[in-house]
Amino acid sequence: AQSVTQPDIHITVSEGASLELRCNYSYGATPYLFWYVQSPGQGLQLLLKYFSGDTLVQGIKGFEAEFKRSQSSFNLRKPSVHWSDAAEYFCAVVGPNNYGQNFVFGPGTRLSVLP
Amino acid sequence: DTGVSQDPRHKITKRGQNVTFRCDPISEHNRLYWYRQTLGQGPEFLTYFQNEAQLEKSRLLSDRFSAERPKGSFSTLEIQRTEQGDSAMYLCASSLGTSGNNEQFFGPGTRLTVL
Repeated sequence: AQSVTQPDIHITVSEGASLELRCNYSYGATPYLFWYVQSPGQGLQLLLKYFSGDTLVQGIKGFEAEFKRSQSSFNLRKPSVHWSDAAEYFCAVVGPNNYGQNFVFGPGTRLSVLP
Repeated sequence: DTGVSQDPRHKITKRGQNVTFRCDPISEHNRLYWYRQTLGQGPEFLTYFQNEAQLEKSRLLSDRFSAERPKGSFSTLEIQRTEQGDSAMYLCASSLGTSGNNEQFFGPGTRLTVL
């Protein structure tokens, strides 16, 4: 069965510092990959997604993610973190070509930002 | 507001009672998903509809759970004979299209507490 791991439960960075959140997946084929962000009291919001093509994808709020097939990873990055980025971040996968219709989410990484 | 809405936002009930949650998706979206999220975990897929048809249910979904989408618009999720283990955030999402890889737009969730 497909699975998603996010090795870091909680990360703390200083405002202005760079950020990398890790995501690894286990799947029989290359799935479609997503990053969502969840702020307290808010619904999940899509940051970016990867289906095919260029392995470096750009998203909203200055985030980017890189797909590495050899490592089964889809890590999220941001060069300079803002205090408003403090939230919970979820990586999710869904099967390609209608195989596996539902999203499988990772356990999430909570990001804290120090002033 | 044209996003996904959920009602109620919070529900406190006693063990053994029945509860019903409502989700109103984005109006033109034909797919509607229900997820459950417990503290420190990512959303866990429960079921989804394409228009009024319920196409998939998680094997983890107890018989006490039932969902409907009678006219292919709003959906309800009912939990009968609630148990303390049902305490969680119940999320609804909607998407447009017939593929599982389309972006899902999430509502703010209904937080259920079973005493």
